[in-house]
Amino acid sequence: EAQVTQNPRYLITVTGKKLTVTCSQNMNHEYMSWYRQDPGLGLRQIYYSMNVEVTDKGDVPEGYKVSRKEKRNFPLILESPSPNQTSLYFCASSPDSPYQPQHFGDGTRLSIL
Amino acid sequence: GNSVTQMEGPVTLSEEAFLTINCTYTATGYPSLFWYVQYPGEGLQLLLKATKADDKGSNKGFEATYRKETTSFHLEKGSVQVSDSAVYFCALIGSTGGFKTIFGAGTRLFVKA
Repeated sequence: EAQVTQNPRYLITVTGKKLTVTCSQNMNHEYMSWYRQDPGLGLRQIYYSMNVEVTDKGDVPEGYKVSRKEKRNFPLILESPSPNQTSLYFCASSPDSPYQPQHFGDGTRLSIL
Repeated sequence: GNSVTQMEGPVTLSEEAFLTINCTYTATGYPSLFWYVQYPGEGLQLLLKATKADDKGSNKGFEATYRKETTSFHLEKGSVQVSDSAVYFCALIGSTGGFKTIFGAGTRLFVKA
């Protein structure tokens, strides 16, 4: 089954404790992206990647890192999480670019205390 | 920078009513425009898109026309169903400055039987 898989689905952690949210897709897609969803703000793009080793900042990259060492994986790293990063996070992928339908994962709910 | 403004929700309609969800945008050049839908507990799915002025995107009875003169991309459906209850997001990708995807805040639709 074609899918975008995020892990973990839920995480409660504390300020300053490094964490990684993994994202993996099995569709051989070139484009991948991370978003955060907050009430009243919709989705805001954090980072995106057009292909392996190619990443670019979205609108809200501060406090986040990403890497794209292989096509299927696009982990989101919070080196020193803070409470304002409490949010619902979505990973998405599309075949070549965001102009094609983006396939979204089921989301990761992060709570930073 | 680029931005998307959607009408605030929630919108509550009775089954078979006509739906309009307004979306206007600010962008330089010729952006591509999208409507995504998010059903409860799920990630987003592409509903329709339009990539140039006067294009009409349509899917599942929904349609939207790219109006450059009014910088709008309003979503319409002639007869809504209970199963259309969801959150609808308008989005754009600019034609300059990379491939950032900008989403609106989302409009929640409730359809009553």
